[in-house]
Amino acid sequence: EAGVTQFPSHSVIEKGQTVTLRCDPISGHDNLYWYRRVMGKEIKFLLHFVKESKQDESGMPNNRFLAERTGGTYSTLKVQPAELEDSGVYFCASSQEGRGIDTQYFGPGTRLTVL
Amino acid sequence: EDQVTQSPEALRLQEGESSSLNCSYTVSGLRGLFWYRQDPGKGPEFLFTLYSAGEEKEKERLKATLTKKESFLHITAPKPEDSATYLCAVQSNTGNQFYFGTGTSLTVIP
Repeated sequence: EAGVTQFPSHSVIEKGQTVTLRCDPISGHDNLYWYRRVMGKEIKFLLHFVKESKQDESGMPNNRFLAERTGGTYSTLKVQPAELEDSGVYFCASSQEGRGIDTQYFGPGTRLTVL
Repeated sequence: EDQVTQSPEALRLQEGESSSLNCSYTVSGLRGLFWYRQDPGKGPEFLFTLYSAGEEKEKERLKATLTKKESFLHITAPKPEDSATYLCAVQSNTGNQFYFGTGTSLTVIP
């Protein structure tokens, strides 16, 4: 069974540009999460989808970040316009149930560098 | 505020030298504690889930234990291939998000 996949693996953009990250969860997983790790810090939660609905977006840093999950399958995370402090590794995770204790499986991440 | 602290930040072991990694947590109500392994350039790889104090889980040379305030990941007779960053995360009763520690970077020297 394929795991969580993310695209691209790396992205280097100029400050002020727009970048879109994509995540394909494990097939059949209704729950999809975005996390971010800034250098030297811990992995931090951004938001949680249940199917196509945003369940919790309390971790989104500001309105320059827009996440979508059309049709409840893959998700995109757009950063517009990108700032220097947005650099980091963006991880996507998915889980099956979302109720009770539910293991989240992570993708390989997208390393974003904003110059 | 939910919080996870891991120690030590880095650990160097000789092959075969057993040791333990610590994960201390503060959470409003623990739903689960998770251990992950992360290799350079890759995403976290799931190892264990612990649900309640007193619980233990084992996998090959790794054993995870849980108390009401902390979890330990015991590594018995480690091999070089065990070198990685080990991450601890907790999930509280108030939501589905994970709270991560900063990890312990383990290096096992042949």
